[in-house]
Amino acid sequence: AQRVTQPEKLLSVFKGAPVELKCNYSYSGSPELFWYVQYSRQRLQLLLRHISRESIKGFTADLNKGETSFHLKKPFAQEEDSAMYYCALSGSGYQKVTFGTGTKLQVIP
Amino acid sequence: KAGVTQTPRYLIKTRGQQVTLSCSPISGHRSVSWYQQTPGQGLQFLFEYFSETQRNKGNFPGRFSGRQFSNSRSEMNVSTLELGDSALYLCASSPPPGQGYTEAFFGQGTRLTVV
Repeated sequence: AQRVTQPEKLLSVFKGAPVELKCNYSYSGSPELFWYVQYSRQRLQLLLRHISRESIKGFTADLNKGETSFHLKKPFAQEEDSAMYYCALSGSGYQKVTFGTGTKLQVIP
Repeated sequence: KAGVTQTPRYLIKTRGQQVTLSCSPISGHRSVSWYQQTPGQGLQFLFEYFSETQRNKGNFPGRFSGRQFSNSRSEMNVSTLELGDSALYLCASSPPPGQGYTEAFFGQGTRLTVV
């Protein structure tokens, strides 16, 4: 079974401080991992995926298969980063995407 | 390419009524999933349809049902509405296999308020 766990419902950080949103997953094969973001009054959208190994808006995420984690990090938080963040997993060759329950990031000016 | 379209955007219903929500996926997408989003519970999976067949189902009561048509459009129905059904209902479509990755594209949601 696929499972995604985001242990923090709310994460508050000061502007300029580092950010780490935690995500752990459970999957027996080789998963595809994603981070989605939902800004206020906007639709949920893809932020980044692990296979592309890219940095989007200063965010990066590294897949750690040993710890089954896919934490989202940014060295210096900005006010516009305040949003709801969801970690998601998809099994290879299959289209179902399993989401975590989300973490609300609040960046304090 | 048009995005995922959900109608209506807003609904107000009374307890005991039923409601039908509609989702039109991105052209060419055959997988459609539905989610319930609430401040307390986050994003909860309802069900997923692929080629008119329900492929997966979340832990929701039988009052929640859905279907998918041959053109991949999907509907979700909730019968005997309860106050706790008030939420944002999101629909997401995914591209067919073989395109190298699986990404869910979301609609803007239908905000259901049960009074």
